[in-house]
Amino acid sequence: KAGVTQTPRYLIKTRGQQVTLSCSPISGHRSVSWYQQTPGQGLQFLFEYFSETQRNKGNFPGRFSGRQFSNSRSEMNVSTLELGDSALYLCASTLTSGSYEQYFGPGTRLTVT
Amino acid sequence: AQSVTQLDSHVSVSEGTPVLLRCNYSSSYSPSLFWYVQHPNKGLQLLLKYTSAATLVKGINGFEAEFKKSETSFHLTKPSAHMSDAAEYFCVVSYKAAGNKLTFGGGTRVLVKP
Repeated sequence: KAGVTQTPRYLIKTRGQQVTLSCSPISGHRSVSWYQQTPGQGLQFLFEYFSETQRNKGNFPGRFSGRQFSNSRSEMNVSTLELGDSALYLCASTLTSGSYEQYFGPGTRLTVT
Repeated sequence: AQSVTQLDSHVSVSEGTPVLLRCNYSSSYSPSLFWYVQHPNKGLQLLLKYTSAATLVKGINGFEAEFKKSETSFHLTKPSAHMSDAAEYFCVVSYKAAGNKLTFGGGTRVLVKP
């Protein structure tokens, strides 16, 4: 069974631009969560989607948004990029909400210049 | 609110010697606890999980962890370190009411010396 895939793997953007990252969960998994990893703040929860609905949201500004499609693939969008948005963005999939065993993708490395 | 504290940001061990990574948690509810490992430029891999069954949990690659409610601890151990264990390790807490939200500790970077 294929693992969680994230595209693109690396991205360079300029301050003020917007970016969309994609995550394809393991086949059959319906829940996708997103995390931001930075050296200063560590790993922080962004949001969780289950059956196309946002179930939970972390403490991030409204510039960070996401969505989930009917095939469980998810995208996250960051508008008006700031230098501090440079990070590794990880997505994780699991069968259902609250089932705990989450499988992580390799991440998308975003650099904002 | 839930939180996780990893007591050591760096641990250095010699190959073949035991590894101990310390983790304390704070949670208002019965927690689920995990240890994840991240190798350089890789995603996170689940080592083991505690979800209110046996307090001694065995994971992959010879790792195990013991849940101690009285001490609010979930320390990770391995009897004999291997060079391939060099990585960053994260202690993680969640609870059912929060869905799939995971709260991560700050991480412990493990260096294995030959």
